Amino acid sequence: EAQVTQNPRYLITVTGKKLTVTCSQNMNHEYMSWYRQDPGLGLRQIYYSMNVEVTDKGDVPEGYKVSRKEKRNFPLILESPSPNQTSLYFCASSPFPDSDDGYTFGSGTRLTVV
Amino acid sequence: AQTVTQSQPEMSVQEAETVTLSCTYDTSESDYYLFWYKQPPSRQMILVIRQEAYKQQNATENRFSVNFQKAAKSFSLKISDSQLGDAAMYFCAYSGLNNAGNMLTFGGGTRLMVKP
Repeated sequence: EAQVTQNPRYLITVTGKKLTVTCSQNMNHEYMSWYRQDPGLGLRQIYYSMNVEVTDKGDVPEGYKVSRKEKRNFPLILESPSPNQTSLYFCASSPFPDSDDGYTFGSGTRLTVV
Repeated sequence: AQTVTQSQPEMSVQEAETVTLSCTYDTSESDYYLFWYKQPPSRQMILVIRQEAYKQQNATENRFSVNFQKAAKSFSLKISDSQLGDAAMYFCAYSGLNNAGNMLTFGGGTRLMVKP
């Protein structure tokens, strides 16, 4: 089954404790991206990757890091999480820049930073 | 920068009736894609319908159709014969063809409630 797999689904952590949210896709997509969802704001892009070893900032990159060492994986790293990073996070992928299929999304990670 | 606005935070509809969700956007591009995504309580983002800006014909997918008004920069979603399973958050999204990273710009969402 074609899918984007995110883990974990829920995560509660304390301020300053480094964490990684994993994302993997099995569709051989070139493009991958991370979004955060907050009430009333919809989804906002954090980082994206156009290919292996090619990443760039989205709209809200502060406090986040990503890496793309393999085509299928695109982990999101919070080096020192803060309470304002409490949010619902989505990983997504698409085959190419002008894809009219939009994105395939993972099932989301609910992160709470206390 | 592009912006997407959904002016209705919440809507409700009676089962079997029709409801229309509004979306407006702002862009200086002439070619782009527009999408409606559904997010049920499971949190999964499900693509409902998409529209290419260069196509004048409004997209339809079974009970879902759009009213795309390019000059007015409006992209509303009509759900006919509403079902209980249609209850969800609905997000309108924009993607420009020249976007680096193929970024989707989302509206703030509309929560749709369906009354039995």
